[in-house]
Amino acid sequence: EADIYQTPRYLVIGTGKKITLECSQTMGHDKMYWYQQDPGMELHLIHYSYGVNSTEKGDLSSESTVSRIRTEHFPLTLESARPSHTSQYLCASSEDSYEQYFGPGTRLTVT
Amino acid sequence: AQSVTQPDIHITVSEGASLELRCNYSYGATPYLFWYVQSPGQGLQLLLKYFSGDTLVQGIKGFEAEFKRSQSSFNLRKPSVHWSDAAEYFCAVVFMNRDDKIIFGKGTRLHILP
Repeated sequence: EADIYQTPRYLVIGTGKKITLECSQTMGHDKMYWYQQDPGMELHLIHYSYGVNSTEKGDLSSESTVSRIRTEHFPLTLESARPSHTSQYLCASSEDSYEQYFGPGTRLTVT
Repeated sequence: AQSVTQPDIHITVSEGASLELRCNYSYGATPYLFWYVQSPGQGLQLLLKYFSGDTLVQGIKGFEAEFKRSQSSFNLRKPSVHWSDAAEYFCAVVFMNRDDKIIFGKGTRLHILP
């Protein structure tokens, strides 16, 4: 059983607010990922990290930022939320690049 | 161009019936192949994976998948579905020359009739 956690699970917030989505894993994985998933759509990689102090942007352009100060923690921040940011955000981790373990997701609604 | 395709957006089967979900990829070599399942409001769970070797792969929850190189396919099968199998199923591929990133298909939503 994978041990990767995301909080909050659901968030409704007003336009212009700053938010941070939390992601933690207890498996000691070096690689971590953030995906954005709109309802009924595929996953799009928005950020990834291959270790502490390493972060890269993914294939889908995103106004969010990430940080990786500790191996187990990979938070995602939106400085000023907009309705276009409404989506589900999935965090994942992996020991290698091939088998990823996913958290339960955060469903974000920006009003 | 390298891509992964799931041709069926929705599939409906009766409980107890057999199931096959299709996945095709476009790539010049054999990629790494995965099937994930996503229940409503949840993250993704790995069902099975293929890296090399035996082309028939067994996974969790009674699922299996067969890699067919000639057809560039990796179809997911289950002989008898249960109502709890209703979910979204994603085929995923790692193309070795794309920095080992996983590319997900658009998904197939499985509906189960009682």
